[in-house]
Order: sequence, then structure tokens, then C-alpha cells
Amino acid sequence: EVQLQQSGAELVRPGTSVKLSCKVSGDTITAYYMHFVKQRPGQGLEWIGRIDPEDDSTKYAEKFKNKATLTADTSSNTAYLKLSSLTSEDTATYFCTTAGYYDGYPFAYWGQGTLVTVSS
Amino acid sequence: DIQMTQSPASLSASLGETVTIQCRASEDIYSGLAWYQQKPGKSPQLLIYGASSLQDGVPSRFSGSGSGTQYSLKISSMQTEDEGVYFCQQGLKYPLTFGSGTKLEIK
Repeated sequence: EVQLQQSGAELVRPGTSVKLSCKVSGDTITAYYMHFVKQRPGQGLEWIGRIDPEDDSTKYAEKFKNKATLTADTSSNTAYLKLSSLTSEDTATYFCTTAGYYDGYPFAYWGQGTLVTVSS
Repeated sequence: DIQMTQSPASLSASLGETVTIQCRASEDIYSGLAWYQQKPGKSPQLLIYGASSLQDGVPSRFSGSGSGTQYSLKISSMQTEDEGVYFCQQGLKYPLTFGSGTKLEIK
């Protein structure tokens, strides 16, 4: 069964960038569409975007188009989410997730989440 | 974008009680709906997909129904381990969108 392992918590300064990782084990990442979801403290879930590691094609939610960049490294079976120009609004837990072999939903597999805290 | 409106925002139920959570889409999503359960400090877990298909390993007291724009999640006999927050999600179109969540507690 596929497993997703995310990088550790980050404390970052406003105005900087951070790059989060999501390593796939149990299968090759090129078999999966990789999605990232944002959850602010005590709030709901927001879909950020997804990448197809097979061809690096991406889709983003409109509000994240200038905030998030998704990449993938097939040699390390890892997907990445880079967040730029960080503000307090970016303080959240970020999950990677996948529907397995399907594009879109449903999200059957989830990473444990990475908490990003933006603070000076 | 497809808007997902979930209700109620919170509810409490007694052990053994039947619980129903509603989700309405802003347009027809042709049963492209999933339900997730999230417990504090944990990742969401898939319960239902395709509006009514039970994910492997999910107890049979969970069921989903609906069509068009109206969907519901039912828990037939509330258990203590069912406490958590429940989210619906549409999978018909990008951007994928979630409901705002329903917090379920034991009474």
C-alpha cells in the first residue's frame, strides 16, 4: 500500500519562502497524481493544487497560483510544495494526498501533514 | 467554482443515536462526492466516495446517499470513536472543493 511521508514542522519569517516535501513509498510516484491541501488552525480544508509526476503537469486553485509551486522528483519519489512571500495567512498545516491512480478525487491516502508557522 | 454547503456546523449525539449530515453543491455534481472524517491532530480519512460507496475498512454504520446537488452522510448508531469533524468534497470539477465541516461530539 502506498504511504506518504511529509517533512517536519517549519518556523519561517514573513516574506520568505518554504519548500515542503512529501515522499511516496510502496510504489512509484509516477503512478499517482499528487495533491496538496491547506488547513488553517481550527478551520476547514482548502485544495491547493496537484501535479502529475509523469509529465510535471499541474493544476492550481486560482487563489494559490501566485503562492504555491508544485514540483516532483521521480528519482527520489518525492513531491514538493513551495510557498512564497509568506504571511501570517499561510500559517497552517499542509497535507499531501492522492487518489491513487485516479486524477482528482477521492483522497484515499494522506500524509501526516506539515505545520508551517509564519512568525517574526 | 463549485461551492459546497455543509450542515449543521456542529451537533452532539448520544451513543447509539442515528446522525445525519447534509451537503449541498452549488450545481449538479453527478454523485462525485466524498466524505472524510478528521480527528484532532490527524489527517482526514476517506469514508465514502461516489456519494454512496463505502471505503474499505470503514464500519458499515456509515452510509452515504444523494444525487444532483443534495447529499447526506448517515451514521446509524453513534459510537464514541465517531467523534470528530466531517467534511464533504466534490470531485467533479477542478478546483476540488470541500464543505466547511461538521463537528460531531458525544452528548
